[in-house]
Amino acid sequence: DSGVTQTPKHLITATGQRVTLRCSPRSGDLSVYWYQQSLDQGLQFLIQYYNGEERAKGNILERFSAQQFPDLHSELNLSSLELGDSALYFCASSLLGEKLSGNTIYFGEGSWLTVV
Amino acid sequence: AQKVTQAQTEISVVEKEDVTLDCVYETRDTTYYLFWYKQPPSGELVFLIRRNSFDEQNEISGRYSWNFQKSTSSFNFTITASQVVDSAVYFCALSAARPSGSARQLTFGSGTQLTVLP
Repeated sequence: DSGVTQTPKHLITATGQRVTLRCSPRSGDLSVYWYQQSLDQGLQFLIQYYNGEERAKGNILERFSAQQFPDLHSELNLSSLELGDSALYFCASSLLGEKLSGNTIYFGEGSWLTVV
Repeated sequence: AQKVTQAQTEISVVEKEDVTLDCVYETRDTTYYLFWYKQPPSGELVFLIRRNSFDEQNEISGRYSWNFQKSTSSFNFTITASQVVDSAVYFCALSAARPSGSARQLTFGSGTQLTVLP
């Protein structure tokens, strides 16, 4: 158990709909990352937040958005869903402190999204 | 730009055989971190090891060992006496070492599917 909690674990929705994926980082971790894993694209970095502020943006579509709340949990919002958005979405967290141990990024179990 | 290459897409071995998973990386950063993650059939990504670029000492953890060679930009992973439970996809990943609070996202390789046959 990595300590990163993601909900829901599985989600099936129709094209055009909107869903929200939720992530609770490990206790004490300030940084949250979102990754998408699909068969054709592999593991792709979407976005990173650090203590509520966006720190880095990867291959995140404009239809997707994320935020990190004051209690450090994060949500990834996916809208106008398309069949190609079906994927496993991972949340990860790290401390990002000066200590080397803070540089390890731990992943949750992922949220399986199926768009039909 | 960073890049991680795992040239072996699939490897199949018989139980108790040793197997090495290759990882080659590219980065312009002088200080960076390398990682290996395991993804079993259930789907979660399990952290195995982090290696700092300034520490080239190889590491052994039980049946797992890692060979980091900065001169060839490689970070290979060996499983000794493989077991059926080792069957999974293994990912090598790279991140830059940046100041606290900075962007430190991982760049992943495409993964190696390891199948250990009984």
